[in-house]
Amino acid sequence: AQSVAQPEDQVNVAEGNPLTVKCTYSVSGNPYLFWYVQYPNRGLQFLLKYITGDNLVKGSYGFEAEFNKSQTSFHLKKPSALVSDSALYFCAVRDLNTGFQKLVFGTGTRLLVSP
Amino acid sequence: NAGVTQTPKFQVLKTGQSMTLQCAQDMNHEYMSWYRQDPGMGLRLIHYSVGAGITDQGEVPNGYNVSRSTTEDFPLRLLSAAPSQTSVYFCASKLGEYTEAFFGQGTRLTVV
Repeated sequence: AQSVAQPEDQVNVAEGNPLTVKCTYSVSGNPYLFWYVQYPNRGLQFLLKYITGDNLVKGSYGFEAEFNKSQTSFHLKKPSALVSDSALYFCAVRDLNTGFQKLVFGTGTRLLVSP
Repeated sequence: NAGVTQTPKFQVLKTGQSMTLQCAQDMNHEYMSWYRQDPGMGLRLIHYSVGAGITDQGEVPNGYNVSRSTTEDFPLRLLSAAPSQTSVYFCASKLGEYTEAFFGQGTRLTVV
Protein backbone atom coordinates (compact mmCIF):
# COMPACT_ATOMS: atom_id res chain seq x y z
CA ALA A 1 0.00 0.00 0.00
CA GLN A 2 1.10 3.52 -0.69
CA SER A 3 2.06 5.57 2.35
CA VAL A 4 3.88 8.69 3.44
CA ALA A 5 5.59 9.45 6.71
CA GLN A 6 6.21 12.82 8.28
CA PRO A 7 8.69 12.11 11.06
CA GLU A 8 8.39 15.44 12.85
CA ASP A 9 5.24 16.52 14.66
CA GLN A 10 6.54 20.07 14.88
CA VAL A 11 9.29 22.13 13.32
CA ASN A 12 10.45 25.38 14.90
CA VAL A 13 12.39 27.96 12.93
CA ALA A 14 13.21 31.64 13.32
CA GLU A 15 11.92 34.12 10.79
CA GLY A 16 14.39 34.64 7.98
CA ASN A 17 16.00 31.23 8.40
CA PRO A 18 15.59 28.42 5.90
CA LEU A 19 13.01 25.77 6.72
CA THR A 20 12.64 22.11 5.85
CA VAL A 21 9.62 19.90 6.51
CA LYS A 22 10.41 16.26 5.93
CA CYS A 23 8.41 13.61 4.10
CA THR A 24 9.31 10.08 3.05
CA TYR A 25 7.17 7.85 0.91
CA SER A 26 6.58 4.20 0.14
CA VAL A 27 4.95 3.34 -3.17
CA SER A 28 4.90 0.64 -5.77
CA GLY A 29 5.57 2.20 -9.11
CA ASN A 30 6.06 5.87 -9.86
CA PRO A 31 5.22 8.24 -7.01
CA TYR A 32 2.88 11.16 -7.44
CA LEU A 33 3.48 13.42 -4.46
CA PHE A 34 1.80 16.52 -3.10
CA TRP A 35 2.21 19.09 -0.35
CA TYR A 36 -0.75 20.86 1.21
CA VAL A 37 -0.90 23.54 3.89
CA GLN A 38 -3.66 24.08 6.42
CA TYR A 39 -4.05 27.39 8.22
CA PRO A 40 -6.10 27.48 11.44
CA ASN A 41 -9.81 26.81 10.88
CA ARG A 42 -9.30 26.57 7.14
CA GLY A 43 -9.32 23.83 4.55
CA LEU A 44 -6.21 22.42 2.93
CA GLN A 45 -4.54 24.49 0.26
CA PHE A 46 -2.45 22.97 -2.50
CA LEU A 47 1.22 24.03 -2.48
CA LEU A 48 2.95 21.89 -5.08
CA LYS A 49 3.15 18.49 -6.69
CA TYR A 50 5.65 16.12 -8.25
CA ILE A 51 4.44 14.01 -11.12
CA THR A 52 7.51 13.64 -13.27
CA GLY A 53 10.43 15.69 -14.54
CA ASP A 54 12.73 17.94 -12.53
CA ASN A 55 13.50 16.80 -9.03
CA LEU A 56 13.15 20.35 -7.70
CA VAL A 57 9.53 21.45 -7.80
CA LYS A 58 8.54 25.06 -7.21
CA GLY A 59 5.18 25.91 -5.73
CA SER A 60 3.10 28.63 -4.14
CA TYR A 61 4.26 31.23 -1.59
CA GLY A 62 7.96 30.63 -2.30
CA PHE A 63 7.91 26.98 -1.29
CA GLU A 64 9.75 24.26 -3.16
CA ALA A 65 10.24 20.56 -2.70
CA GLU A 66 13.05 18.23 -3.62
CA PHE A 67 12.21 14.77 -4.89
CA ASN A 68 14.88 12.21 -4.08
CA LYS A 69 14.19 8.78 -5.50
CA SER A 70 17.14 7.00 -3.86
CA GLN A 71 16.12 8.25 -0.44
CA THR A 72 12.37 8.04 -1.17
CA SER A 73 11.94 11.55 0.15
CA PHE A 74 10.03 14.65 -0.84
CA HIS A 75 11.06 17.35 1.61
CA LEU A 76 9.40 20.76 1.57
CA LYS A 77 11.73 23.75 1.72
CA LYS A 78 11.75 27.52 1.78
CA PRO A 79 14.90 29.67 1.76
CA SER A 80 13.60 32.29 4.18
CA ALA A 81 10.72 31.58 6.58
CA LEU A 82 7.98 34.07 7.41
CA VAL A 83 5.88 34.20 10.56
CA SER A 84 2.85 33.84 8.29
CA ASP A 85 4.17 30.42 7.16
CA SER A 86 3.18 29.02 10.56
CA ALA A 87 0.62 26.33 9.78
CA LEU A 88 0.05 22.59 9.51
CA TYR A 89 1.71 20.94 6.52
CA PHE A 90 0.64 17.66 4.97
CA CYS A 91 2.52 15.47 2.55
CA ALA A 92 0.38 13.16 0.40
CA VAL A 93 0.84 10.47 -2.21
CA ARG A 94 -1.61 9.28 -4.77
CA ASP A 95 -2.75 5.71 -4.22
CA LEU A 96 -2.64 4.06 -7.63
CA ASN A 97 -4.32 0.93 -6.34
CA THR A 98 -7.80 2.47 -6.33
CA GLY A 99 -9.77 3.59 -9.34
CA PHE A 100 -10.20 6.95 -7.67
CA GLN A 101 -6.51 7.19 -6.97
CA LYS A 102 -7.19 8.70 -3.59
CA LEU A 103 -4.70 10.83 -1.74
CA VAL A 104 -2.97 9.12 1.19
CA PHE A 105 -1.94 11.75 3.71
CA GLY A 106 0.79 11.86 6.29
CA THR A 107 -0.06 12.80 9.86
CA GLY A 108 1.02 16.40 9.37
CA THR A 109 3.83 18.61 10.64
CA ARG A 110 3.15 21.81 12.49
CA LEU A 111 5.51 24.59 11.46
CA LEU A 112 6.06 27.36 13.96
CA VAL A 113 8.01 30.39 12.76
CA SER A 114 9.07 32.74 15.55
CA PRO A 115 9.68 36.47 15.02
CA ASN B 1 -15.39 31.69 -8.25
CA ALA B 2 -16.40 30.08 -4.95
CA GLY B 3 -14.49 26.78 -5.38
CA VAL B 4 -15.64 24.14 -2.88
CA THR B 5 -18.30 25.26 -0.41
CA GLN B 6 -19.23 23.27 2.69
CA THR B 7 -22.11 23.88 5.05
CA PRO B 8 -22.48 24.07 7.97
CA LYS B 9 -19.12 25.13 9.41
CA PHE B 10 -19.96 23.86 12.89
CA GLN B 11 -22.52 21.35 14.17
CA VAL B 12 -23.31 19.67 17.46
CA LEU B 13 -25.41 16.50 17.36
CA LYS B 14 -26.78 14.20 19.97
CA THR B 15 -26.01 10.50 19.69
CA GLY B 16 -28.48 8.86 17.34
CA GLN B 17 -29.42 11.98 15.43
CA SER B 18 -29.01 12.16 11.68
CA MET B 19 -27.82 15.02 9.53
CA THR B 20 -26.45 15.89 6.11
CA LEU B 21 -23.22 17.76 5.46
CA GLN B 22 -23.48 19.72 2.26
CA CYS B 23 -20.74 20.13 -0.34
CA ALA B 24 -20.94 22.04 -3.60
CA GLN B 25 -18.32 22.94 -6.19
CA ASP B 26 -18.58 25.29 -9.14
CA MET B 27 -15.51 24.14 -11.07
CA ASN B 28 -17.22 21.40 -13.06
CA HIS B 29 -14.98 18.79 -11.46
CA GLU B 30 -15.88 15.15 -11.98
CA TYR B 31 -14.05 13.81 -8.94
CA MET B 32 -15.37 14.60 -5.46
CA SER B 33 -14.60 13.10 -2.10
CA TRP B 34 -15.15 13.32 1.63
CA TYR B 35 -12.35 13.06 4.18
CA ARG B 36 -12.34 13.20 7.94
CA GLN B 37 -9.46 14.70 9.88
CA ASP B 38 -8.61 13.43 13.33
CA PRO B 39 -5.65 14.49 15.49
CA GLY B 40 -2.49 12.55 14.72
CA MET B 41 -4.12 10.61 11.89
CA GLY B 42 -4.00 12.94 8.91
CA LEU B 43 -6.98 12.78 6.57
CA ARG B 44 -8.84 9.58 5.83
CA LEU B 45 -11.11 9.00 2.86
CA ILE B 46 -14.77 8.28 3.67
CA HIS B 47 -16.50 8.13 0.27
CA TYR B 48 -15.74 9.35 -3.20
CA SER B 49 -17.36 9.88 -6.56
CA VAL B 50 -15.91 9.89 -10.07
CA GLY B 51 -18.99 11.46 -11.65
CA ALA B 52 -22.71 12.02 -11.29
CA GLY B 53 -24.44 8.79 -10.33
CA ILE B 54 -21.19 7.03 -9.38
CA THR B 55 -20.03 6.67 -5.79
CA ASP B 56 -17.83 4.26 -3.88
CA GLN B 57 -16.46 3.64 -0.41
CA GLY B 58 -13.18 4.88 0.90
CA GLU B 59 -11.27 3.52 3.88
CA VAL B 60 -13.68 4.58 6.67
CA PRO B 61 -17.22 4.44 5.18
CA ASN B 62 -19.17 2.91 8.07
CA GLY B 63 -21.94 5.14 9.37
CA TYR B 64 -21.96 7.43 6.33
CA ASN B 65 -23.90 7.53 3.08
CA VAL B 66 -23.38 9.60 -0.04
CA SER B 67 -25.14 10.28 -3.32
CA ARG B 68 -24.17 12.25 -6.41
CA SER B 69 -27.20 13.32 -8.40
CA THR B 70 -25.45 16.30 -10.00
CA THR B 71 -21.86 17.17 -10.90
CA GLU B 72 -21.93 20.10 -8.46
CA ASP B 73 -23.21 18.50 -5.25
CA PHE B 74 -21.93 15.68 -3.08
CA PRO B 75 -23.72 15.51 0.29
CA LEU B 76 -22.56 13.31 3.14
CA ARG B 77 -25.22 11.79 5.38
CA LEU B 78 -24.71 10.60 8.91
CA LEU B 79 -27.44 8.05 9.53
CA SER B 80 -27.22 7.72 13.33
CA ALA B 81 -24.50 9.88 14.82
CA ALA B 82 -22.03 8.36 17.26
CA PRO B 83 -19.37 10.04 19.43
CA SER B 84 -16.72 8.32 17.28
CA GLN B 85 -17.85 10.50 14.40
CA THR B 86 -16.72 13.65 16.19
CA SER B 87 -14.23 15.03 13.70
CA VAL B 88 -13.53 17.70 11.13
CA TYR B 89 -14.94 16.81 7.73
CA PHE B 90 -13.52 18.04 4.45
CA CYS B 91 -15.01 17.84 1.02
CA ALA B 92 -12.64 17.95 -1.95
CA SER B 93 -12.93 18.02 -5.70
CA LYS B 94 -10.51 17.61 -8.56
CA LEU B 95 -10.68 17.85 -12.30
CA GLY B 96 -9.10 14.53 -13.16
CA GLU B 97 -6.88 11.68 -12.07
CA TYR B 98 -3.58 13.54 -12.23
CA THR B 99 -4.63 16.91 -10.88
CA GLU B 100 -4.51 18.41 -7.42
CA ALA B 101 -7.55 18.41 -5.15
CA PHE B 102 -9.32 21.55 -3.95
CA PHE B 103 -10.68 21.43 -0.43
CA GLY B 104 -13.59 23.13 1.28
CA GLN B 105 -13.11 24.95 4.58
CA GLY B 106 -14.37 22.03 6.61
CA THR B 107 -17.23 21.17 8.97
CA ARG B 108 -16.40 20.69 12.62
CA LEU B 109 -18.82 18.09 13.97
CA THR B 110 -19.23 17.21 17.63
CA VAL B 111 -21.42 14.29 18.68
CA VAL B 112 -22.38 14.26 22.35
